[in-house]
Amino acid sequence: KQEVTQIPAALSVPEGENLVLNCSFTDSAIYNLQWFRQDPGKGLTSLLLIQSSQREQTSGRLNASLDKSSGRSTLYIAASQPGDSATYLCAPDNYGQNFVFGPGTRLSVLP
Amino acid sequence: EPEVTQTPSHQVTQMGQEVILRCVPISNHLYFYWYRQILGQKVEFLVSFYNNEISEKSEIFDDQFSVERPDGSNFTLKIRSTKLEDSAMYFCASSEARHTNTGELFFGEGSRLTVL
Repeated sequence: KQEVTQIPAALSVPEGENLVLNCSFTDSAIYNLQWFRQDPGKGLTSLLLIQSSQREQTSGRLNASLDKSSGRSTLYIAASQPGDSATYLCAPDNYGQNFVFGPGTRLSVLP
Repeated sequence: EPEVTQTPSHQVTQMGQEVILRCVPISNHLYFYWYRQILGQKVEFLVSFYNNEISEKSEIFDDQFSVERPDGSNFTLKIRSTKLEDSAMYFCASSEARHTNTGELFFGEGSRLTVL
């Protein structure tokens, strides 16, 4: 059964910093991995989908990498802004298990 | 931009009552899902639906739950005999495909269910 962990659990940085969020998963038999952001009391907003055959995916200031064999994905946020403050979730799409979500990293970007 | 819409945004019910949560997936999507998130906990998969039948379900999705696509646009989750522990945010999601580059999940804003 897939287990997903995310480090750190919470992160507070000043505006303008580059930062890295980490996602680890135990079962490398995945199709895709998707990153989301969740604002308090809100739904999940899709950020990036990386297919298992890809190593990287970029969208604006976001860059996600995937190392399927080692069970890791990272989300890199460049030049962070206060509007980036949210909880970031990763979710691998697994053979026979659907998407399994990590607990998230709660990010605060201070002006 | 197309979006997944959910109603109601918040429902309060008495223990033992039945509730129906409604979702309108993105129009060209073929796969539909329900997830839930108990306050302070992870997002959990409940069920996926394709071609008018359940394609996958989790251990959580027992006989208390059912899903239906009653017409060409709505996708519903019915919870019978609600319990206190059913209190959670329920999210509907949809995707164009599965396991491919168009398998991206798009979520609605959620329906908060409070069972008293």
